[in-house]
Amino acid sequence: DAGVTQSPTHLIKTRGQQVTLRCSPKSGHDTVSWYQQALGQGPQFIFQYYEEEERQRGNFPDRFSGHQFPNYSSELNVNALLLGDSALYLCASSPALGGGTQYFGPGTRLTVL
Amino acid sequence: AQSVTQLGSHVSVSEGALVLLRCNYSSSVPPYLFWYVQYPNQGLQLLLKYTSAATLVKGINGFEAEFKKSETSFHLTKPSAHMSDAAEYFCAVTNQGAQKLVFGQGTRLTINP
Repeated sequence: DAGVTQSPTHLIKTRGQQVTLRCSPKSGHDTVSWYQQALGQGPQFIFQYYEEEERQRGNFPDRFSGHQFPNYSSELNVNALLLGDSALYLCASSPALGGGTQYFGPGTRLTVL
Repeated sequence: AQSVTQLGSHVSVSEGALVLLRCNYSSSVPPYLFWYVQYPNQGLQLLLKYTSAATLVKGINGFEAEFKKSETSFHLTKPSAHMSDAAEYFCAVTNQGAQKLVFGQGTRLTINP
């Protein structure tokens, strides 16, 4: 049973560019959440997708957007990259009625130069 | 709003010694509480969770945590530390029906031989 998978593993971009990160949830899960983890910090909630809709959003600007596909996989898009967007981006999946238990992928390390 | 405070950004213990990582939470509704572990350059792995059942929760790798409502605490313990326990540990809070996890800043555990 495959767990949560994310791609790519690492990514280097320059300021002003756009980036797309991808996530496939754990089998049987239909809810995907995205988190940003800056170096030395705890993860910060970006948003959550369920039934292809954004269900809740954290305190992140509109430059951060997402999408969920019918197969429950998800994308995180970040436009107009800033140096401060450099971080580990974590995807977590959960069943809709899972009592809040989220299972995390290995993350995508984004470096903005 | 919910929040988590992890006391001690860095804890160092000897191999075979007791591990105690402290977590205090704030929540206006009955909380669900989690401990995750993060090894270098990896995602988060669920250690254990409290979701309003037994207050003493046992997790993987010999870890356990006790939910104490009166103290708003959910401290993580392990009777005997092993070298492989060296990692970053995160406490997180959410509640039934909530979408996001709120994380603490993390505690880096170092094991001395």
